[in-house]
Amino acid sequence: ETGVTQTPRHLVMGMTNKKSLKCEQHLGHNAMYWYKQSAKKPLELMFVYNFKEQTENNSVPSRFSPECPNSSHLFLHLHTLQPEDSALYLCASSQDIIGVRNEQFFGPGTRLTVL
Amino acid sequence: KNEVEQSPQNLTAQEGEFITINCSYSVGISALHWLQQHPGGGIVSLFMLSSGKKKHGRLIATINIQEKHSSLHITASHPRDSAVYICAVEGSGGGADGLTFGKGTHLIIQP
Repeated sequence: ETGVTQTPRHLVMGMTNKKSLKCEQHLGHNAMYWYKQSAKKPLELMFVYNFKEQTENNSVPSRFSPECPNSSHLFLHLHTLQPEDSALYLCASSQDIIGVRNEQFFGPGTRLTVL
Repeated sequence: KNEVEQSPQNLTAQEGEFITINCSYSVGISALHWLQQHPGGGIVSLFMLSSGKKKHGRLIATINIQEKHSSLHITASHPRDSAVYICAVEGSGGGADGLTFGKGTHLIIQP
């Protein structure tokens, strides 16, 4: 498999559920990102990881918990979400976070619905 | 925080027309990205530029750092170009700060 993959592609969960989103990149990149795309709103950065270390947490509520066990995998753990958290969650990776090495490659996204 | 504005928000054109999408931002940047998002959500990076002009096939992207403005042009547009085109900027911290996105331009090319 090549590129950036995300699973699941679709997820429906209740407000009391715990679920995880998974992202995997097969590009040998060192940086990975979580973005949120809500209806009628621009994409928003949630988290940045570079060499497995979190470099940015864009004021994201604690009900979203990222995990980056290695440079190829990124998880987003979800707990007690709200209906307004329903959105498309996109993962991306880049070779690095500097200059031309920051061209970002996106996964297909997970469409999350919170009931 | 950088404010990224795109225009137009929606654009419908006939096949073959020359298309221009504009992006302006409020604070100096290290780079600007143009992205294409197809129905269903998949996003593809088209260009990443910090000065001048880049061309790839029928797509051309330009940036004027002094005016804080970039344009994306599509020549000989085709229905398969129909998508949302998104402008995004990197702050002075580069990728460590992630990208700040515009709201996107929804382009429809009619045959």
